[in-house]
Amino acid sequence: DAGVIQSPRHEVTEMGQEVTLRCKPISGHNSLFWYRQTMMRGLELLIYFNNNVPIDDSGMPEDRFSAKMPNASFSTLKIQPSEPRDSAVYFCASSGLAGGYSTDTQYFGPGTRLTVL
Amino acid sequence: AQSVTQLGSHVSVSEGALVLLRCNYSSSVPPYLFWYVQYPNQGLQLLLKYTSAATLVKGINGFEAEFKKSETSFHLTKPSAHMSDAAEYFCALLTGGGNKLTFGTGTQLKVEL
Repeated sequence: DAGVIQSPRHEVTEMGQEVTLRCKPISGHNSLFWYRQTMMRGLELLIYFNNNVPIDDSGMPEDRFSAKMPNASFSTLKIQPSEPRDSAVYFCASSGLAGGYSTDTQYFGPGTRLTVL
Repeated sequence: AQSVTQLGSHVSVSEGALVLLRCNYSSSVPPYLFWYVQYPNQGLQLLLKYTSAATLVKGINGFEAEFKKSETSFHLTKPSAHMSDAAEYFCALLTGGGNKLTFGTGTQLKVEL
């Protein structure tokens, strides 16, 4: 398996522009997670999906951020409009569930480094 | 509240020396704990996990961790450091009904000749 795939790996944009980050989870995994990593705040969970349904988006910073999972093999994280403080590395991770309580490993993608000028 | 604390944001060891990275947790339920490693410009890779089975957990690359309930700790160790171990290490706690990982702030490990 190719693992979790994220694109683009690097994105540089100007303030006010729309940014779309993409993620393809590992085939067969039914949970998908979006994280943000910054020096100041460390690793933060933004949102996660279970069976394509958003379960917890309490980590999404504000309405400028939105995430979708139209099918089991694709998810997007969109920022509109982008701001310099959104500069960070954004990771996608996926996992499979075992019964009602997940003990499964979250597998991380390589991340997208976003720079907003 | 459930949380993870990593003591020491930077640890430096000599090649061949013992590696000890500290992690303490707070959890109102039996915890599931993880150690991840992040190499420069890469994603996180699982080193090992504790899921209420054996308290001494062995992982990849010669790392192991011991779950100590009395100390609420899950420290990561490796008997002999190698240059390739230089990376950032994250301790994490599974929370939120079993789907959410709460990460510590990370420990940057430097290995010197």
